[in-house]
Amino acid sequence: NAGVTQTPKFQVLKTGQSMTLQCAQDMNHEYMSWYRQDPGMGLRLIHYSVGAGITDQGEVPNGYNVSRSTTEDFPLRLLSAAPSQTSVYFCASSFFQGGGKDGYTFGSGTRLTVV
Amino acid sequence: AQSVTQPDIHITVSEGASLELRCNYSYGATPYLFWYVQSPGQGLQLLLKYFSGDTLVQGIKGFEAEFKRSQSSFNLRKPSVHWSDAAEYFCAVGANKLIFGAGTRLAVHP
Repeated sequence: NAGVTQTPKFQVLKTGQSMTLQCAQDMNHEYMSWYRQDPGMGLRLIHYSVGAGITDQGEVPNGYNVSRSTTEDFPLRLLSAAPSQTSVYFCASSFFQGGGKDGYTFGSGTRLTVV
Repeated sequence: AQSVTQPDIHITVSEGASLELRCNYSYGATPYLFWYVQSPGQGLQLLLKYFSGDTLVQGIKGFEAEFKRSQSSFNLRKPSVHWSDAAEYFCAVGANKLIFGAGTRLAVHP
């Protein structure tokens, strides 16, 4: 199993450009989520999904859109990039059914710079 | 509101000394609790997790954590720190979505 795959690993955008950060998992996990990491602030939840077709906002959703058309994929869209969106982005999938395998699997991250 | 507080932003210890990183949480239900470690420029590595049962949890790299419901705490401990433990440590709580603390950066003096 590949786990959680994020692409691209690095990206530089100009202010106002749009792009999609890709996230795919092959573990058939129902839950998926996106986080951004900024120095001194830990990881903050952007959006999350509890299953295909169901998404909800996290702590910092402004400027980001998500959709979940399949169990495997959970892309994060920046419609008009701003310098404040310069950050490291992590995607995660999770599984909770009361067993020892419960927990989160994180992708390796996407480092985004908006100039 | 759900939240996680890591009171110590930076901690410096000598190699071989014991370590305790503090974590306090606010969560409406029985929490799922996690500790992650992150080296510079790297991703997150799970150290340990607590869902239920024994409140003292053993993790990887010699770390352990104790869940204390009465204190809403989940402190991370290690009896003897190695230079390679220098990293940033994050406490997190949640199930289908995680709430992270701001992190504690650990420096280890030789």
